Amino acid sequence: EAQVTQNPRYLITVTGKKLTVTCSQNMNHEYMSWYRQDPGLGLRQIYYSMNVEVTDKGDVPEGYKVSRKEKRNFPLILESPSPNQTSLYFCASSFSRQAGGGYTFGSGTRLTVV
Amino acid sequence: AQSVSQHNHHVILSEAASLELGCNYSYGGTVNLFWYVQYPGQHLQLLLKYFSGDPLVKGIKGFEAEFIKSKFSFNLRKPSVQWSDTAEYFCAVIPSGGSYIPTFGRGTSLIVHP
Repeated sequence: EAQVTQNPRYLITVTGKKLTVTCSQNMNHEYMSWYRQDPGLGLRQIYYSMNVEVTDKGDVPEGYKVSRKEKRNFPLILESPSPNQTSLYFCASSFSRQAGGGYTFGSGTRLTVV
Repeated sequence: AQSVSQHNHHVILSEAASLELGCNYSYGGTVNLFWYVQYPGQHLQLLLKYFSGDPLVKGIKGFEAEFIKSKFSFNLRKPSVQWSDTAEYFCAVIPSGGSYIPTFGRGTSLIVHP
């Protein structure tokens, strides 16, 4: 089944403790993105990647890192999480620049930083 | 940079009522347009998309949207809503050329009363 898989689905952590949220897609998609979703603010893009070893900042990159060493994986790293990073995170992927099918989204990761 | 405006933040309807959700974008060039739906507790799913051709686009579950270039709009419609349409709806815009960076609206929360 074609899908974007995020792990974990839920995570509670403490301020300053490094964490990684994994994202993997099995559709050979070139484009991958991370978004955070907050009430009243909708979806905001954190980072995106156009292909392996090509990443760029989105609208709200501060406090986050990403890597794209393989086409299928696009982990989101929080080196020193803070409470303002408590949010719902979505990974998404798309086949190509033209994005004929639009984005496919993962199921989300609800992160709480205390 | 492009922007997307969804005018209705919260919409409450009774079953069988007609629905129209507004989406306006600001971008001078050619765009690709999308509507996504997010059911409670789930991830975003593609509802419909417009790339070119017939400006009236039909999507899943009886939804349709009309692209009006002169008004920079891509409103979502459904003639008769059901309780199961209760969800959050996001409009998204991607410029056809250049960097593939989609911009999402802030979303419209739709509640349908049975």
